[in-house]
Amino acid sequence: QVTLRESGPALVKPTQTLTLTCTFSGFSLNTLGMCVTWVRQPPGQALEWLGLIDWGADTRYNTSLRTRLSISGDTSKNQVVLTMTNMGPADTGTYFCSRIQKDASSGNVKAFDVWGQGTMVTVSS
Amino acid sequence: DIQMTQSPSSLSASVGDRVTITCQASRDINKYLNWYQQKPGKAPKLLIYDASILETGVPSRFSGSGSGTDFTFTINSLQPEDVASYYCQHYDNVPYNFGQGTNLRIK
Repeated sequence: QVTLRESGPALVKPTQTLTLTCTFSGFSLNTLGMCVTWVRQPPGQALEWLGLIDWGADTRYNTSLRTRLSISGDTSKNQVVLTMTNMGPADTGTYFCSRIQKDASSGNVKAFDVWGQGTMVTVSS
Repeated sequence: DIQMTQSPSSLSASVGDRVTITCQASRDINKYLNWYQQKPGKAPKLLIYDASILETGVPSRFSGSGSGTDFTFTINSLQPEDVASYYCQHYDNVPYNFGQGTNLRIK
């Protein structure tokens, strides 16, 4: 069974750095074609893709957030960590992690099929 | 970046109605489109992938079609439990942008 779970602080102060952890089971980030990805959602607003890390530890980021975002992985712990610097009120929202599977031989992609339950982060002094 | 334009932003329909939501990509994304259902306080749930393939366990009243830049999501015979927000998202190339969502209500 594939599961993902986000964890981290519920409250951060403006200008602080946010660190969230996605702990997963049922798959390995070492598997060719596997990625773990982050998405967020401000209260009452749409979903926003943040970034991903792949099986080779390569990372990709949302164009508008790339200077503030960093994603890293610890395959021994089955964890992926998201770090976002200089947090502001506009960063308040629920942060989700999910996975993407790319089959190198067939080219098929199965993306965002399983999600964590999300973790709510509020930015306030 | 590929932008996703989803419409309508909100929709009200009666139980048993057929409901249609559209999503347009700013350039060709082949078939690489997901549709999600999201209920308040919950994570999005994948309903359709590769534009038209029903995810395992999803009721057959949900369907998707399209390729390239124009996509359609349909609920045949709307049920009360279908009240939710619905999102499209492409996964052609990063960034994997979402549509702005459709809030579906029952009349």
